[in-house]
Amino acid sequence: GAVVSQHPSWVICKSGTSVKIECRSLDFQATTMFWYRQFPKQSLMLMATSNEGSKATYEQGVEKDKFLINHASLTLSTLTVTSAHPEDSSFYICSARETGTNEKLFFGSGTQLSVL
Amino acid sequence: AQSVTQPDIHITVSEGASLELRCNYSYGATPYLFWYVQSPGQGLQLLLKYFSGDTLVQGIKGFEAEFKRSQSSFNLRKPSVHWSDAAEYFCAVGGHSWGKLQFGAGTQVVVTP
Repeated sequence: GAVVSQHPSWVICKSGTSVKIECRSLDFQATTMFWYRQFPKQSLMLMATSNEGSKATYEQGVEKDKFLINHASLTLSTLTVTSAHPEDSSFYICSARETGTNEKLFFGSGTQLSVL
Repeated sequence: AQSVTQPDIHITVSEGASLELRCNYSYGATPYLFWYVQSPGQGLQLLLKYFSGDTLVQGIKGFEAEFKRSQSSFNLRKPSVHWSDAAEYFCAVGGHSWGKLQFGAGTQVVVTP
């Protein structure tokens, strides 16, 4: 079946550094991908919609300059947390919608970010 | 505005007993509804989804859910739970561009021997 690979699974970084998270569709093309954030014991909150070849659409309250999204190909979207701070520590999950279908949406396994 | 409510934050159930997780939604049009399961530190696995048609939806791992428009509900059920069903369960709603999902707060299921 279709798989969405998210890398890294976990990352620890120092405050002020930037971290890049990759979301890759392994056996299908995804024009659209989505990035969610999940704080401990809370639900997933949509951060942004990533569109291949165009700018991402951010949800209200999400800083686009802090969370840089790049969707340069039909199989890869990246989320870069710039100048990370401890409050950015969270579980980040991506999902990818298979191009040409309105029914196939797959989630990655998530990335646990810890900012010291 | 769309929203999803999962009234039960935590449910404890005995192995072999039945399980029902509640989900109520608010949406301006016909919603696309989903149930996902998440194990600790893991991503989401789709259990089942409803787009249209038969309001009783069968999913994986023996789960089913029933869409009741009049009650704006999409409750998840399993006749007999297994210890491996212990996890966090999320109900979600989406629209035409349904990849953009609104999630409920989740229900933590604990299974006791």
